[in-house]
This record gives sequence, C-alpha cells and structure tokens, in this order.
Amino acid sequence: DVKVTQSSRYLVKRTGEKVFLECVQDMDHENMFWYRQDPGLGLRLIYFSYDVKMKEKGDIPEGYSVSREKKERFSLILESASTNQTSMYLCASSPLGQGHGYTFGSGTRLTVV
Amino acid sequence: QKEVEQDPGPLSVPEGAIVSLNCTYSNSAFQYFMWYRQYSRKGPELLMYTYSSGNKEDGRFTAQVDKSSKYISLFIRDSQPSDSATYLCAMSAGSNFGNEKLTFGTGTRLTIIP
Repeated sequence: DVKVTQSSRYLVKRTGEKVFLECVQDMDHENMFWYRQDPGLGLRLIYFSYDVKMKEKGDIPEGYSVSREKKERFSLILESASTNQTSMYLCASSPLGQGHGYTFGSGTRLTVV
Repeated sequence: QKEVEQDPGPLSVPEGAIVSLNCTYSNSAFQYFMWYRQYSRKGPELLMYTYSSGNKEDGRFTAQVDKSSKYISLFIRDSQPSDSATYLCAMSAGSNFGNEKLTFGTGTRLTIIP
C-alpha cells in the first residue's frame, strides 16, 4: 500500500522552539507539498518541491522553511515557533504529469504553547 | 474573491438520502477536477477525478463538471453513516512541465444521521 508518512501525529512545542516536521513517501513521486489546515480557512500551501534540493514558496511561507535532500523526504521547519502556527500540518506528494491528484499523509497536529 | 468557493456546511442528512455537494470556481483554465474525502483527524483521500466537462460515476458516487457554468458537483446516493466526513473539491489547470498544483475548496462537513 503506497504511503505518505508523517513522523508525528501530535506535537506540543513551546514558543520560540525550532520545530521539524518530517514527511516520507514511498511512491517515487517527484512533487511534494506542505499544507496547513485551519477551520474556515481550508488548506493553505506553505511550500512545495518539484525535485531534490528544489523548493518554491506557496501562499503562506512566512515563518517556515523546507528541506529536500532526498527524493522521498520533505521536511518542514518552523524556525521559531509561535502560537499562531498551531495548526494541522499535512504533507502530500504527486507524480509528474497532470490530473493525478495528491496523496496525503495523516497529518501532524501541532500545538505551540 | 476566492478562486474556488465551497459551502462549508455543516450539512446533515438522514441515512439513505441523496447528497449533493458543490463548488464554484472562477479560473476558466481549470480542466482537472477532483473530490477528496477527509475523515476526522485524518488526511484527505482522493475520491473522484474528472477531466474537463461531463459526468463520472463510481458506485454510489457521481461527479459532474459544468465548465460553462464553472460549477462542479458530487452526488452521493443511498448515503451511509460511513460517508460522514469533510468533502473537499480541488482543481487544477494542469502544467506544461507536469508540476501540477491543486487549488482546494475549504471543504463541506457532512453528517449522515442513522
């Protein structure tokens, strides 16, 4: 069964901490994405990557960075966590081509206190 | 104005009813249309995919696309309590480079009452 695996389901961090969210996919997909999901706001794209070491900003990149050193792994970094970054974080991947849709991970519920 | 508009609900219907979920969009370049289902505390999963206008049926689910009206629908027949979830529409214009980026609706929360 193909999968996108996010390392943590629930995470609690303190304000100012550096936070790493890890995502691994086993489908050899080229494209990987990080979203946050908040009630009433839906899915908002933070960053995406089309290839190893490539990254592009999404709609809300401020306060975040990413790393893609290997094709299967895409990491989201909160440089200095703040309470307004409390959210559900979703990683997704897709192959090259069109109309494939995304495969999502189960999400990481991050609470910053 | 958002590119994709979706009524957030919540929508509650009795078991066995026909459910209609809808999205409107403004970008005429969109040609790939999808519906995702998201159970509570889970990631979205792809439910239906349609290219361009027309209908697509898969079991109890039917997806319709009307590009002239910029309107897409998902119908669920004989709804079951297990259909209770949030349903997100998504669409894309495709990409010449194959690097497709989806635009999502905010999701409609659906509850099927036994």
